Amino acid sequence: EAQVTQNPRYLITVTGKKLTVTCSQNMNHEYMSWYRQDPGLGLRQIYYSMNVEVTDKGDVPEGYKVSRKEKRNFPLILESPSPNQTSLYFCASSPRVPRRGHYGYTFGSGTRLTVV
Amino acid sequence: DAKTTQPTSMDCAEGRAANLPCNHSTISGNEYVYWYRQIHSQGPQYIIHGLKNNETNEMASLIITEDRKSSTLILPHATLRDTAVYYCIVNTGANSKLTFGKGITLSVRP
Repeated sequence: EAQVTQNPRYLITVTGKKLTVTCSQNMNHEYMSWYRQDPGLGLRQIYYSMNVEVTDKGDVPEGYKVSRKEKRNFPLILESPSPNQTSLYFCASSPRVPRRGHYGYTFGSGTRLTVV
Repeated sequence: DAKTTQPTSMDCAEGRAANLPCNHSTISGNEYVYWYRQIHSQGPQYIIHGLKNNETNEMASLIITEDRKSSTLILPHATLRDTAVYYCIVNTGANSKLTFGKGITLSVRP
């Protein structure tokens, strides 16, 4: 089944303890992106990647890092999490050029992160 | 990317057609209209997209006005499971950033 898989689904952590949220897609998509969703602020892009070893900042990159060493994986790294990073996070992927059956973005199921 | 304007909410009866409007008066010639929906805290789901012709797939139909300044997403026979926030997004293509607005909350009533 074509999908974007995020792990973990839920995570509670303490301030300052480094964590990684993994994202993997099995559709050979070139483009991957991370979003966070907060009440009243909607979905905002954190980082995106156009292809392997190519990453760039989105609208709210502060406090986050990403890497794209392989096409299928795009982990989100919080080096020193803070309470204001408590949020619902989504990973998404899409092909560089739409092709049959692959239009638009495919989103993961989300990771609900709480930083205390 | 061009900005879109949607009503805040609407409702419709189960089994009836749901017509969700979207204004995008500043859309440029190379921008597509995309529709996504998000069912309570799940990941957004792609529904349909179009450039200037009307489009239909197994989920919905998309009607784009001739001047491309507005569009309507049509769910022909709404079910309770269609209750969600629907986002209309204008975008130049698959590898461009999606900018989500507040969307329209559709409530399907029994």
